[in-house]
Amino acid sequence: DIVMTQSPDSLAVSLGERATINCKSSQSVLHSSNNKNYLAWYQQKPGQPPKLLIYWASTRESGVPDRFSGSGSGTDFSLTISSLQAEDVAVYYCQQCYSNPLTFGGGTTVEIK
Amino acid sequence: EVQLVQSGGGLVQPGGSLRLSCAASGFTFSDHYMDWVRQAPGKGLEWVGRIRDKANSYTTEYAASVKGRFTVSRDDSKNSLYLQMNSLKTEDTAVYYCARDSGYGAHFDYWGQGTLVTVSS
Repeated sequence: DIVMTQSPDSLAVSLGERATINCKSSQSVLHSSNNKNYLAWYQQKPGQPPKLLIYWASTRESGVPDRFSGSGSGTDFSLTISSLQAEDVAVYYCQQCYSNPLTFGGGTTVEIK
Repeated sequence: EVQLVQSGGGLVQPGGSLRLSCAASGFTFSDHYMDWVRQAPGKGLEWVGRIRDKANSYTTEYAASVKGRFTVSRDDSKNSLYLQMNSLKTEDTAVYYCARDSGYGAHFDYWGQGTLVTVSS
């Protein structure tokens, strides 16, 4: 199984400042057939289902604000919120979509400082 | 508008059974793989299982923690997804979500609202 490790577990960022979450996979999730990284990011607010933010490591889902961006390749990835807004307070999860069983990182809680 | 509306769930004793349903609308259900994901209280997300489409013979995959106890099925004529849960354990207590595979990357682009399953005596 591919193990997904997120860091930090939580972070507090001032409004308007940058927040960066890291995700490391235990093996590469880069598909050689199409050169795409099968890595997704989700946002989950209390009492709600997760919401897809980013797929293929860096492709923003339709309707997601452009302050959210994803980067990385192979085994090391990051999600960046360029200017934190109050509505971004949530738990963020990475997920590898490369092989079964599909696995998620442990989550990172983003709060306002 | 894509919608996944879940039903079922509730309180069940250890060793018991329960069936969850997920009614889909707003898209061609039969074209998509569908998945179940769960979240224990205060914990992270855990993938439970998947069912592929007719073109892929409705094959299924399961997490090791539920294999042999849970069964994912679908009825394309009713645009519905199901999760049959047998031999339930206390550690199966969680909110269960159905989710749609996007069809081009195995990520989940739409989720149901979630339904709580509590396994307790």
